[in-house]
Parts: sequence; C-alpha cells; structure tokens
Amino acid sequence: DVKVTQSSRYLVKRTGEKVFLECVQDMDHENMFWYRQDPGLGLRLIYFSYDVKMKEKGDIPEGYSVSREKKERFSLILESASTNQTSMYLCASGQGAVETQYFGPGTRLLVL
Amino acid sequence: DAKTTQPPSMDCAEGRAANLPCNHSTISGNEYVYWYRQIHSQGPQYIIHGLKNNETNEMASLIITEDRKSSTLILPHATLRDTAVYYCIVRLYNQGGKLIFGQGTELSVKP
Repeated sequence: DVKVTQSSRYLVKRTGEKVFLECVQDMDHENMFWYRQDPGLGLRLIYFSYDVKMKEKGDIPEGYSVSREKKERFSLILESASTNQTSMYLCASGQGAVETQYFGPGTRLLVL
Repeated sequence: DAKTTQPPSMDCAEGRAANLPCNHSTISGNEYVYWYRQIHSQGPQYIIHGLKNNETNEMASLIITEDRKSSTLILPHATLRDTAVYYCIVRLYNQGGKLIFGQGTELSVKP
C-alpha cells in the first residue's frame, strides 16, 4: 500500500523558533511536494523537488526552505517561525506521466 | 487560479449514488480531469482521472461529456465514510508540479 508519512500530526512552536517538518515516502517516487492549507485559500504549493538535492520554489516559498538529501525524504524548514505560518502542512509524492500525487496525513502547526 | 467550477455543497442519502458535477469549459485538448477528495483533518486522496473516455475504478466512475467541458464523478453506493470535500482538477498530462485545488464540493452523506 502506498504510504506517505509526516513526522508529527500536531506541533506547537513559539515565534522565532526553527521548525523542521519531515516527510517520508516508501514508493520510490522522484517528485515530492510541500503544500500548506488554510481556510478559504485552499492548498498552496510551497516547494517541490523532482530529484535528490534538487528543489523548485512553488507559489509561496518565502519564510521556508527545504532539503532533500535522500530520495525518500523531503524536509520543510521554517527558519524563524511566525504566527502567520500557523497552518496545516501537507506533503505529497508522485511520479510518472500521469503523476497521481499521494498525500500524507498532514501536520497541523500552531505558532504562538 | 482553479480552472474548474463545482457546487459548494451537496447532500446524498446513504446507499444511493452520489453524482458530483464539475464544469471545465476552458479545458484544452491535452488536459486531463482529476478527482481528489479530502476527508476532514486528513490529506487529500486520489480518486480517478480521465481524458475523454469514461473511466471506472474500485472507488468511482468518471463521466466526461463529449465536448469535454464538464464531467461528473459518480460514487455508486455512497456510505457515511464518503462524506468529504471533493476536488475536480484539470492539468496537463506529464505536467509535473503543483495541483491547483479549487474550493471543491462538500458532500454530506446522510443516513
């Protein structure tokens, strides 16, 4: 069965903290994605990666960075968390011409 | 911007077929129609996709009109667990990159 896992379901951090969100997929997919989801705004792409050590900015990369050292793992980093980064963060992976994207369960992050 | 239009909400009786419409009047010839759903507090789940022929899998059927300007997702025997937000997405084959989710249709399956 296809599996995308995220390191935490719920996370509470303080303003200014460095935050790491981890995503692991077991499908040997080349492409991985980080989205955030906010009420009324839908899903927005933050960053994606189509290969190890490769990354591309999505629509809202400001305040975020990513790391992909291994094919199965894609990390999202909030360098200095701010309250406007409180959100649901969703990781996805996909591959192939049709590229069905498979999503993880999400991490609900609260920044105080 | 999303290239699809869906009704914001629908109800369906448990055990009956749920028919979810989607308009994509500006779809181009090489764009596919994808359907995902998101159950509350979970990540989106892929359901089905198609180009111009009708498609069926273990979850649902996808009916695409001949002019491809609209489509319908059919859940043949809706259960309470099918209560979710359903998203219709149009994108290029082999496009890679992001999925553009619109507002979707909130389907409530009622006993």
